[in-house]
Amino acid sequence: EDQVTQSPEALRLQEGESSSLNCSYTVSGLRGLFWYRQDPGKGPEFLFTLYSAGEEKEKERLKATLTKKESFLHITAPKPEDSATYLCAVHPSNYQLIWGAGTKLIIKP
Amino acid sequence: GAGVSQSPSNKVTEKGKDVELRCDPISGHTALYWYRQSLGQGLEFLIYFQGNSAPDKSGLPSDRFSAERTGGSVSTLTIQRTQQEDSAVYLCASSLYRGGTDTQYFGPGTRLTVL
Repeated sequence: EDQVTQSPEALRLQEGESSSLNCSYTVSGLRGLFWYRQDPGKGPEFLFTLYSAGEEKEKERLKATLTKKESFLHITAPKPEDSATYLCAVHPSNYQLIWGAGTKLIIKP
Repeated sequence: GAGVSQSPSNKVTEKGKDVELRCDPISGHTALYWYRQSLGQGLEFLIYFQGNSAPDKSGLPSDRFSAERTGGSVSTLTIQRTQQEDSAVYLCASSLYRGGTDTQYFGPGTRLTVL
Protein backbone atom coordinates (compact mmCIF):
# COMPACT_ATOMS: atom_id res chain seq x y z
CA GLU A 1 0.00 0.00 0.00
CA ASP A 2 1.28 3.46 -0.91
CA GLN A 3 2.10 5.43 2.23
CA VAL A 4 3.77 8.66 3.32
CA THR A 5 4.96 9.27 6.88
CA GLN A 6 6.34 12.55 8.17
CA SER A 7 8.38 12.97 11.33
CA PRO A 8 8.48 14.48 13.80
CA GLU A 9 4.87 15.57 14.21
CA ALA A 10 6.08 18.80 15.79
CA LEU A 11 9.48 20.44 16.17
CA ARG A 12 10.40 23.40 18.34
CA LEU A 13 13.69 25.15 17.61
CA GLN A 14 15.42 28.27 18.76
CA GLU A 15 16.06 30.90 16.13
CA GLY A 16 19.27 29.97 14.33
CA GLU A 17 19.13 26.30 15.37
CA SER A 18 19.37 24.18 12.22
CA SER A 19 17.50 20.88 11.87
CA SER A 20 15.81 18.53 9.42
CA LEU A 21 12.29 17.26 8.76
CA ASN A 22 11.75 13.76 7.41
CA CYS A 23 9.33 12.34 4.86
CA SER A 24 9.53 8.59 4.35
CA TYR A 25 7.49 6.87 1.67
CA THR A 26 6.57 3.52 0.21
CA VAL A 27 5.03 3.89 -3.21
CA SER A 28 5.08 2.06 -6.48
CA GLY A 29 6.91 3.89 -9.21
CA LEU A 30 7.63 7.30 -7.69
CA ARG A 31 7.20 10.02 -10.26
CA GLY A 32 7.80 12.97 -7.99
CA LEU A 33 7.87 14.21 -4.40
CA PHE A 34 6.52 17.59 -3.36
CA TRP A 35 7.15 19.81 -0.36
CA TYR A 36 4.61 22.46 0.64
CA ARG A 37 4.43 24.97 3.45
CA GLN A 38 1.10 25.71 5.14
CA ASP A 39 0.47 28.67 7.43
CA PRO A 40 -2.51 28.63 9.81
CA GLY A 41 -5.77 29.40 8.03
CA LYS A 42 -4.20 29.23 4.59
CA GLY A 43 -3.82 26.73 1.80
CA PRO A 44 -0.55 24.89 1.17
CA GLU A 45 2.14 26.89 -0.63
CA PHE A 46 4.41 25.07 -3.07
CA LEU A 47 8.10 24.84 -2.18
CA PHE A 48 9.85 22.10 -4.17
CA THR A 49 9.43 19.13 -6.49
CA LEU A 50 12.05 16.35 -6.51
CA TYR A 51 12.01 13.68 -9.19
CA SER A 52 14.90 11.27 -8.62
CA ALA A 53 17.16 9.98 -5.88
CA GLY A 54 20.15 12.22 -5.33
CA GLU A 55 18.35 15.36 -6.41
CA GLU A 56 18.60 18.45 -4.21
CA LYS A 57 16.84 21.82 -4.36
CA GLU A 58 17.33 24.96 -2.32
CA LYS A 59 15.33 28.04 -1.53
CA GLU A 60 16.59 30.58 0.97
CA ARG A 61 17.12 28.68 4.24
CA LEU A 62 15.51 25.48 2.98
CA LYS A 63 17.11 22.56 1.17
CA ALA A 64 15.23 19.45 0.09
CA THR A 65 16.94 16.15 -0.67
CA LEU A 66 15.64 12.81 -1.96
CA THR A 67 16.66 9.18 -1.62
CA LYS A 68 14.86 6.05 -2.76
CA LYS A 69 13.02 5.79 0.55
CA GLU A 70 12.81 9.27 2.05
CA SER A 71 13.19 12.98 1.64
CA PHE A 72 14.62 15.50 4.04
CA LEU A 73 13.82 19.15 4.35
CA HIS A 74 16.83 20.81 5.92
CA ILE A 75 16.36 24.19 7.49
CA THR A 76 19.48 26.24 8.16
CA ALA A 77 19.57 29.05 10.74
CA PRO A 78 15.77 29.32 10.84
CA LYS A 79 13.90 32.50 11.65
CA PRO A 80 10.52 32.87 13.39
CA GLU A 81 8.87 33.48 10.01
CA ASP A 82 9.81 29.94 9.02
CA SER A 83 7.26 28.69 11.54
CA ALA A 84 4.60 26.73 9.67
CA THR A 85 3.41 23.21 8.95
CA TYR A 86 5.48 21.53 6.27
CA LEU A 87 3.68 18.97 4.12
CA CYS A 88 5.17 16.26 1.96
CA ALA A 89 3.32 14.57 -0.91
CA VAL A 90 4.35 11.85 -3.33
CA HIS A 91 3.15 11.10 -6.82
CA PRO A 92 3.03 7.33 -7.38
CA SER A 93 2.38 5.62 -10.69
CA ASN A 94 -1.21 6.87 -10.87
CA TYR A 95 -1.94 10.57 -10.87
CA GLN A 96 -3.26 11.18 -7.36
CA LEU A 97 -0.89 12.61 -4.80
CA ILE A 98 -0.54 10.91 -1.42
CA TRP A 99 -0.01 13.34 1.44
CA GLY A 100 1.75 13.04 4.75
CA ALA A 101 0.19 14.49 7.91
CA GLY A 102 2.80 17.24 8.13
CA THR A 103 5.39 18.50 10.58
CA LYS A 104 4.52 21.57 12.61
CA LEU A 105 7.66 23.69 12.93
CA ILE A 106 7.89 26.37 15.61
CA ILE A 107 10.86 28.72 15.67
CA LYS A 108 11.23 30.65 18.90
CA PRO A 109 12.98 34.04 18.84
CA GLY B 1 -1.89 37.08 -11.44
CA ALA B 2 -4.82 35.95 -9.35
CA GLY B 3 -4.48 32.72 -7.47
CA VAL B 4 -7.07 30.11 -6.63
CA SER B 5 -10.00 31.58 -4.74
CA GLN B 6 -12.58 29.82 -2.60
CA SER B 7 -15.82 30.91 -1.02
CA PRO B 8 -17.06 31.12 1.58
CA SER B 9 -13.98 31.19 3.81
CA ASN B 10 -16.04 29.87 6.71
CA LYS B 11 -19.35 28.04 6.79
CA VAL B 12 -21.30 27.00 9.86
CA THR B 13 -24.32 24.82 9.25
CA GLU B 14 -26.68 22.58 11.11
CA LYS B 15 -26.64 18.83 10.80
CA GLY B 16 -28.84 17.70 7.94
CA LYS B 17 -28.56 20.87 5.87
CA ASP B 18 -26.98 21.03 2.41
CA VAL B 19 -23.93 23.21 1.70
CA GLU B 20 -22.21 24.42 -1.46
CA LEU B 21 -18.55 25.35 -1.60
CA ARG B 22 -17.13 27.26 -4.54
CA CYS B 23 -13.70 27.24 -6.19
CA ASP B 24 -12.33 29.60 -8.85
CA PRO B 25 -9.11 28.11 -10.27
CA ILE B 26 -6.23 29.99 -11.81
CA SER B 27 -7.17 31.13 -15.31
CA GLY B 28 -5.97 28.66 -17.94
CA HIS B 29 -5.49 25.77 -15.52
CA THR B 30 -7.18 22.69 -16.90
CA ALA B 31 -6.91 20.44 -13.84
CA LEU B 32 -8.86 21.06 -10.66
CA TYR B 33 -8.81 19.10 -7.39
CA TRP B 34 -10.85 19.06 -4.22
CA TYR B 35 -9.28 17.88 -0.95
CA ARG B 36 -10.46 17.61 2.62
CA GLN B 37 -8.13 18.38 5.53
CA SER B 38 -9.04 17.32 9.03
CA LEU B 39 -7.06 18.39 12.09
CA GLY B 40 -3.79 16.50 12.32
CA GLN B 41 -4.47 14.56 9.15
CA GLY B 42 -2.97 14.65 5.69
CA LEU B 43 -4.93 16.00 2.77
CA GLU B 44 -7.63 13.58 1.65
CA PHE B 45 -8.29 13.52 -2.09
CA LEU B 46 -11.95 13.92 -3.00
CA ILE B 47 -12.38 14.54 -6.73
CA TYR B 48 -10.38 15.56 -9.80
CA PHE B 49 -11.45 17.35 -12.99
CA GLN B 50 -9.31 17.48 -16.13
CA GLY B 51 -10.56 19.46 -19.10
CA ASN B 52 -13.69 17.92 -20.58
CA SER B 53 -12.93 14.41 -19.35
CA ALA B 54 -15.18 12.59 -16.91
CA PRO B 55 -14.12 13.51 -13.37
CA ASP B 56 -12.33 11.08 -11.10
CA LYS B 57 -14.74 10.72 -8.19
CA SER B 58 -12.88 7.89 -6.49
CA GLY B 59 -12.16 9.90 -3.33
CA LEU B 60 -15.70 11.01 -2.53
CA PRO B 61 -16.51 9.48 0.88
CA SER B 62 -20.24 8.97 0.28
CA ASP B 63 -23.03 9.71 -2.17
CA ARG B 64 -23.86 12.81 -0.13
CA PHE B 65 -20.84 14.44 -1.77
CA SER B 66 -20.90 15.66 -5.36
CA ALA B 67 -19.07 18.21 -7.45
CA GLU B 68 -19.39 19.85 -10.81
CA ARG B 69 -17.24 22.09 -12.93
CA THR B 70 -18.96 24.46 -15.28
CA GLY B 71 -17.34 25.66 -18.48
CA GLY B 72 -14.03 24.11 -17.52
CA SER B 73 -13.51 26.77 -14.87
CA VAL B 74 -15.49 27.32 -11.67
CA SER B 75 -16.26 24.28 -9.54
CA THR B 76 -18.82 23.68 -6.82
CA LEU B 77 -18.59 20.97 -4.17
CA THR B 78 -21.97 20.08 -2.69
CA ILE B 79 -22.48 18.18 0.53
CA GLN B 80 -26.04 17.04 1.14
CA ARG B 81 -27.53 16.23 4.55
CA THR B 82 -24.34 17.30 6.34
CA GLN B 83 -23.06 15.28 9.28
CA GLN B 84 -20.77 16.35 12.11
CA GLU B 85 -17.96 14.21 10.68
CA ASP B 86 -18.04 16.41 7.57
CA SER B 87 -16.51 19.24 9.62
CA ALA B 88 -13.11 19.99 8.09
CA VAL B 89 -11.27 22.41 5.85
CA TYR B 90 -12.08 21.87 2.19
CA LEU B 91 -9.25 22.84 -0.13
CA CYS B 92 -9.31 23.38 -3.87
CA ALA B 93 -6.24 23.26 -6.08
CA SER B 94 -5.58 23.73 -9.77
CA SER B 95 -2.72 22.86 -12.09
CA LEU B 96 -1.80 23.76 -15.62
CA TYR B 97 -1.89 20.32 -17.20
CA ARG B 98 -3.04 16.85 -16.24
CA GLY B 99 -2.34 16.17 -12.56
CA GLY B 100 0.48 14.33 -10.85
CA THR B 101 3.85 15.95 -11.22
CA ASP B 102 2.33 19.24 -12.30
CA THR B 103 2.51 21.69 -9.43
CA GLN B 104 -0.83 22.14 -7.72
CA TYR B 105 -1.68 25.63 -6.49
CA PHE B 106 -4.08 25.83 -3.60
CA GLY B 107 -6.78 28.19 -2.52
CA PRO B 108 -7.16 29.35 1.08
CA GLY B 109 -9.81 26.75 1.84
CA THR B 110 -13.31 26.75 3.28
CA ARG B 111 -13.64 25.82 6.94
CA LEU B 112 -16.88 23.88 7.36
CA THR B 113 -18.37 23.40 10.81
CA VAL B 114 -21.41 21.18 11.18
CA LEU B 115 -23.24 21.69 14.48
